[in-house]
Amino acid sequence: DAGVIQSPRHEVTEMGQEVTLRCKPISGHDYLFWYRQTMMRGLELLIYFNNNVPIDDSGMPEDRFSAKMPNASFSTLKIQPSEPRDSAVYFCASSLSLRQGTPGANVLTFGAGSRLTVL
Amino acid sequence: DAKTTQPPSMDCAEGRAANLPCNHSTISGNEYVYWYRQIHSQGPQYIIHGLKNNETNEMASLIITEDRKSSTLILPHATLRDTAVYYCIVRVRAGNQFYFGTGTSLTVIP
Repeated sequence: DAGVIQSPRHEVTEMGQEVTLRCKPISGHDYLFWYRQTMMRGLELLIYFNNNVPIDDSGMPEDRFSAKMPNASFSTLKIQPSEPRDSAVYFCASSLSLRQGTPGANVLTFGAGSRLTVL
Repeated sequence: DAKTTQPPSMDCAEGRAANLPCNHSTISGNEYVYWYRQIHSQGPQYIIHGLKNNETNEMASLIITEDRKSSTLILPHATLRDTAVYYCIVRVRAGNQFYFGTGTSLTVIP
């Protein structure tokens, strides 16, 4: 398996532009998570999906952020309009929900991240 | 949600055991302790997890105290490639969220 695949790896854009980050989870995984990492705030959970349905988006900073998961193999995180304070590394992770105690249960596998710079 | 406390940084000599502590004094009875690490510029990587008993895999060992209020991650023979930030996480009982704290920055010294 190729693991969790994120694109683009690097994005530089100007303030006010729309940014779309993409994620392909590991095949068969039923949970998908979006995290954001900055020096100031560390790793923050933004939103997560179970079976393509958003379960908890309480970490989404504001209405400029939106996330979708149209099918089991694809998710997007969109920022519109982008602002300089959105500059961060955005990680996608997926996991398979198994009964606790089962090997591999609920282990997150992260992608390589998308580094966003908003000028 | 149980919170975790870790020292911000530690050093370890190459080839020696690295012992990374974590306090989770408010952990609930069926909450698991997970350890991840993040090597610079990469996504976090799963290491190990446990509930009550000590656990060992090819990467590390996890020692959980009997009262479950603290744990120690042990890297038996640290190498330079083990230099990373190590996160101790207690999995939230409801839902499937993992909340990462500030972690411990481990530097393995040649």
